[in-house]
Amino acid sequence: QKEVEQDPGPLSVPEGAIVSLNCTYSNSAFQYFMWYRQYSRKGPELLMYTYSSGNKEDGRFTAQVDKSSKYISLFIRDSQPSDSATYLCAMSALLDSNYQLIWGAGTKLIIKP
Amino acid sequence: EPEVTQTPSHQVTQMGQEVILRCVPISNHLYFYWYRQILGQKVEFLVSFYNNEISEKSEIFDDQFSVERPDGSNFTLKIRSTKLEDSAMYFCASSREWDQPQHFGDGTRLSIL
Repeated sequence: QKEVEQDPGPLSVPEGAIVSLNCTYSNSAFQYFMWYRQYSRKGPELLMYTYSSGNKEDGRFTAQVDKSSKYISLFIRDSQPSDSATYLCAMSALLDSNYQLIWGAGTKLIIKP
Repeated sequence: EPEVTQTPSHQVTQMGQEVILRCVPISNHLYFYWYRQILGQKVEFLVSFYNNEISEKSEIFDDQFSVERPDGSNFTLKIRSTKLEDSAMYFCASSREWDQPQHFGDGTRLSIL
């Protein structure tokens, strides 16, 4: 079983729709949760960073963490064609005295005009 | 906003040759990382570096790889004798503390012929 599961997509939605991206994880030791956006041939760009269960909002983006279900989500409201990218979840913890950052496979999102 | 910069953006090298990829992390960051991403695949951790020494490395980071912080601003990844399978995007990242999110550069595309 992979530590972090993320559907690779592609996920195609019309412009203006609400997008829901998700990751599940198996290790309850994960403490910090991140969402990155990656455009083609560019580096991952940090979108959201949370360390507790609940919601965090930043503009059109909302990150949600449910530690009891080991499930994190990223919601994008009023989606735009410029949101088309690959979205990667990442989570981290101090494991075996080493800091480990574990990545999801990334979901390719396509927003159709 | 401060950013991680990487040079060159594209490097073409003959198999067996040495290559050095360069990064300038964000100036007040203390932790530095290299990642690799083969086209269409997941981001893979290579190595983390703190206080002038390697703090963690993956199985990919074998004896052909080395990292160095030659001065107060640069962070380099050297591949001693490149192989065809080293062709990938290489991303440098930095963070202020181990539990803070990592910020990525736009990568160096390494092509081995």
